[in-house]
Amino acid sequence: ETGVTQSPTHLIKTRGQQVTLRCSSQSGHNTVSWYQQALGQGPQFIFQYYREEENGRGNFPPRFSGLQFPNYSSELNVNALELDDSALYLCASTGWASGRGSNEQFFGPGTRLTVL
Amino acid sequence: AQSVTQLDSQVPVFEEAPVELRCNYSSSVSVYLFWYVQYPNQGLQLLLKYLSGSTLVKGINGFEAEFNKSQTSFHLRKPSVHISDTAEYFCAVSPRDDKIIFGKGTRLHILP
Repeated sequence: ETGVTQSPTHLIKTRGQQVTLRCSSQSGHNTVSWYQQALGQGPQFIFQYYREEENGRGNFPPRFSGLQFPNYSSELNVNALELDDSALYLCASTGWASGRGSNEQFFGPGTRLTVL
Repeated sequence: AQSVTQLDSQVPVFEEAPVELRCNYSSSVSVYLFWYVQYPNQGLQLLLKYLSGSTLVKGINGFEAEFNKSQTSFHLRKPSVHISDTAEYFCAVSPRDDKIIFGKGTRLHILP
């Protein structure tokens, strides 16, 4: 149990629509990262937020945007959905792993988005 | 820039046999190295990571990995697999700024 939750679990949209995915991090985790995992592929880094500011971005177009809130929740917004946006979207919050003695990213279970 | 190559997309192995999942990476800077496991319909779970120090890293569920700087490899091993190890395994690197670059994954099939 990582303490990172995501909603919804599954979502079906049509091309051109907009979608908002949500993530709730553990208390005290100031950094949240979002990843896109297409079927049969490894996760790809979309962007990262630190204390409500974007702190790095992968190779994704501007129609992928995000928000981070003071209550350790965050959102991933995707506009003008395309068929290739169908994927599992993972969020991860960064925190101290006491058992390993270092920071690490704790992943949520993901939201599976299907675009028809 | 960094990249990760997982040399096998699928690895079948008999239950209680040993297994090695291969991973090579490329980076112009020092990186952290990771192995994650993803069980069906679940998120990612960290198996182990290498930051520095001993090149042999022990992780959860009996897995271990060895960092080889000269060969830029970080292969994952387990001496005896169980049916519950059936999952997708991802090798990954991070250039120490918290952004993780993943390989394409290796699907481990445990045969009875």
